Amino acid sequence: GDSVTQMEGPVTLSEEAFLTINCTYTATGYPSLFWYVQYPGEGLQLLLKATKADDKGSNKGFEATYRKETTSFHLEKGSVQVSDSAVYFCALIKGGKLIFGQGTELSVKP
Amino acid sequence: DAGVIQSPRHEVTEMGQEVTLRCKPISGHDYLFWYRQTMMRGLELLIYFNNNVPIDDSGMPEDRFSAKMPNASFSTLKIQPSEPRDSAVYFCASRDQGIRTDTQYFGPGTRLTVL
Repeated sequence: GDSVTQMEGPVTLSEEAFLTINCTYTATGYPSLFWYVQYPGEGLQLLLKATKADDKGSNKGFEATYRKETTSFHLEKGSVQVSDSAVYFCALIKGGKLIFGQGTELSVKP
Repeated sequence: DAGVIQSPRHEVTEMGQEVTLRCKPISGHDYLFWYRQTMMRGLELLIYFNNNVPIDDSGMPEDRFSAKMPNASFSTLKIQPSEPRDSAVYFCASRDQGIRTDTQYFGPGTRLTVL
């Protein structure tokens, strides 16, 4: 069945470091792909999305490119801040339902 | 916009008690989703509605769980009787039915603890 796999966390970085969180998916067809972020004690918020191959989603300095050939949607940010500390979820949508990865916790130290 | 509203934010109850979680979706959204989040199983979709009608409840763990959506602005998730393994954060989400709008908007969640 359709699934999403993310790199395991927690990921700990120093402020201003470069961030990559890997995400790969298994799906029939070409579903829309998403990154959601969950700050401590809050619900999930959409961070960015891409709806077709080679699309690049971007928001708040984060980027991810829909790579059909590698079935990947890796999340990147050039310079992380302490305020980026959160759990990040990669997801695809199929039949109206979101299928999430297991989440990757990011901790950014000053 | 008020966003998705959930209540209560925290619920502590004893095993065997009935628990009712409530959700108010964003006005005008046609889809409503209930999720459960635990450390062991991550985020799981329990059930979702379209225009107040349950479409897929395959994620509901067992008969102790039930969900209703009596109108477009209100839904409940009920657990009766509750068990300690039901302890989790329960999220409600909604989205618009538009073809190009597949983004779900999540509420802040209800943290349920069953003692």
